[in-house]
Amino acid sequence: EIVLTQFPGTLSLSPGERATLSCRASQSVSSNSLAWYRQKPGQAPRLLIYGASSRVSGIPDRFSGSGSGTDFTLTISRLEPEDFAVYYCQQYAGSPLTFGPGTKVDIK
Amino acid sequence: EVQLLQSGGGLVQPGGSLRLSCAASGFTFSRSAVSWVRQAPGKGLEWVSGISDTGASTYYADSVKGRFTISRDNSKNTLDLQMNNLRAEDTAVYYCAHPGSGHYPAPFDHWGQGTLVTVSS
Repeated sequence: EIVLTQFPGTLSLSPGERATLSCRASQSVSSNSLAWYRQKPGQAPRLLIYGASSRVSGIPDRFSGSGSGTDFTLTISRLEPEDFAVYYCQQYAGSPLTFGPGTKVDIK
Repeated sequence: EVQLLQSGGGLVQPGGSLRLSCAASGFTFSRSAVSWVRQAPGKGLEWVSGISDTGASTYYADSVKGRFTISRDNSKNTLDLQMNNLRAEDTAVYYCAHPGSGHYPAPFDHWGQGTLVTVSS
């Protein structure tokens, strides 16, 4: 099973600032099969990025993903009010699918 | 528009059983793998189970293997999760989830509204 670790656990920033979220895998994630989700309180998660760096249709270009192997990054270039939420990475290189514990981005 | 409408859930005693259902529309259900993902109160996401497009292959997290059974009815476009021998640690919001690619394993583009399962005496 691939274990994902996310850091920091909480990121306190102001609107308009840049957010950098990290996800590290316990073993190499083949084919960069790594996704990122945003989850707002009381809502289901929303897929933002797949294949480590491909943005889902309709997702603003302020979201970008990078990385390969075991280290991946989600960058939000300028935080909008709706971006203050919890972000999860997920690997789908194999079964079982696993999620990271999440990074909470809150308002400073 | 893809829709995943969930039903079932509720309060059940430890050791009891519960069945969740998910009615799918807006895509060719019979050509898509689907999964269940859960989220304990205040906690992160945990993939629970997945099933291939035909139902021939099923996949389970170790935490539920032998207790939960995933199934589908492609004639009715429905996905079910039969949960037996429930434990307090199964308390969570359960989501059905659909990968836009239709493959397994794959990321989940679409999610149901979630249904709360509470296991408590």
